[in-house]
Amino acid sequence: GAGVSQSPSNKVTEKGKDVELRCDPISGHTALYWYRQSLGQGLEFLIYFQGNSAPDKSGLPSDRFSAERTGGSVSTLTIQRTQQEDSAVYLCASSLGGLAGGRLETQYFGPGTRLLVL
Amino acid sequence: AQSVAQPEDQVNVAEGNPLTVKCTYSVSGNPYLFWYVQYPNRGLQFLLKYITGDNLVKGSYGFEAEFNKSQTSFHLKKPSALVSDSALYFCAVRPSLSGSARQLTFGSGTQLTVLP
Repeated sequence: GAGVSQSPSNKVTEKGKDVELRCDPISGHTALYWYRQSLGQGLEFLIYFQGNSAPDKSGLPSDRFSAERTGGSVSTLTIQRTQQEDSAVYLCASSLGGLAGGRLETQYFGPGTRLLVL
Repeated sequence: AQSVAQPEDQVNVAEGNPLTVKCTYSVSGNPYLFWYVQYPNRGLQFLLKYITGDNLVKGSYGFEAEFNKSQTSFHLKKPSALVSDSALYFCAVRPSLSGSARQLTFGSGTQLTVLP
């Protein structure tokens, strides 16, 4: 079956512009995660959605970053007024989720969106 | 807060030789442990995970990992390396406690190079 898909695969933008990154999780997965992979910072968690629960935004680095998940499926990560330090690969992952303690939760990752802020 | 250490940035091994990529962790309570592999310009691919049960976990592409609770380690191993195993490997952990955060905490990654 289809895996996690992300678009665009690459995005070049100018400093100060807003960008939107999209993630399509695996069908039936109720949990969705955004991570950022950058040089010097490794892989860092940004935000987590589980079903209709309030998202865990504890990893968002600033209020310029926001994300939403419409209809419990597709998610959009928005970065406002982009800065050069936002340049990174943004990875989305999904898992079965649920409230059973997470034993079934293997996270499957998409190919990422490579963002370059000039 | 949980953490993961991958003490080697780079591991080189000759094709056909056994390989080990090291990982140690720190987490409250019992851990869920994962290994992922990343090929150039690709996302992370799941290799294997430890949830509970046998300490030796077998995964994709002939990889296995051994959970050692006393040493808080989860080293990745393969008996005979292939050139195609060359990639960036990430160890990750999350706590198993009910209600705890479900996001993964990753190590810094280890670049494995298998030499022909």
